[in-house]
Amino acid sequence: DTAVSQTPKYLVTQMGNDKSIKCEQNLGHDTMYWYKQDSKKFLKIMFSYNNKELIINETVPNRFSPKSPDKAHLNLHINSLELGDSAVYFCASSPRLASGTSTGELFFGEGSRLTVL
Amino acid sequence: SQKIEQNSEALNIQEGKTATLTCNYTNYSPAYLQWYRQDPGRGPVFLLLIRENEKEKRKERLKVTFDTTLKQSLFHITASQPADSATYLCALVREGSQGNLIFGKGTKLSVKP
Repeated sequence: DTAVSQTPKYLVTQMGNDKSIKCEQNLGHDTMYWYKQDSKKFLKIMFSYNNKELIINETVPNRFSPKSPDKAHLNLHINSLELGDSAVYFCASSPRLASGTSTGELFFGEGSRLTVL
Repeated sequence: SQKIEQNSEALNIQEGKTATLTCNYTNYSPAYLQWYRQDPGRGPVFLLLIRENEKEKRKERLKVTFDTTLKQSLFHITASQPADSATYLCALVREGSQGNLIFGKGTKLSVKP
């Protein structure tokens, strides 16, 4: 019973293509995230959704568009892929929105490795 | 601007010894700090959370300390085992932000038998 599952695990594509990564969580959490981990292993937040509402959009190019059809799903669509988009993309969820006073430990998926040629 | 730093990129120790990893932060006073473990090819896994009013937190062989004066958290693994080899990440919520949990770059721990 996978808690946070994302597909596909591997994605190899050409520059200029459009691709999507899907994420689903069965933990009943209110908040979901997309993180990008680059070749230097630095994990950087991209988007945060709480109850299907966009909370954070961290200076991500407009080519990246998240979609949350319901609380359990957060998909990531990427248009006009560029070489620099190559990375591992992690979906995560937390019981509540992390804030200065409210803890929100994250549960991560296994990652989707995107390679743009 | 707010920064979170894990000074050591890599730490090599002998099995049975205590591993100590450091996480420093600047320009901020977080209410809590989290530690995660990441194995190669896997997503990070939550380990421990420590609040600002807690000096120390333990879980089995793991111990985390939080010094708000030094703006530092230490993560200890006692009686380390080769299976503890992984990258360990610290994380905290960006000041004035909701849902923005930022991570340090991680320390890769290698425990040699």
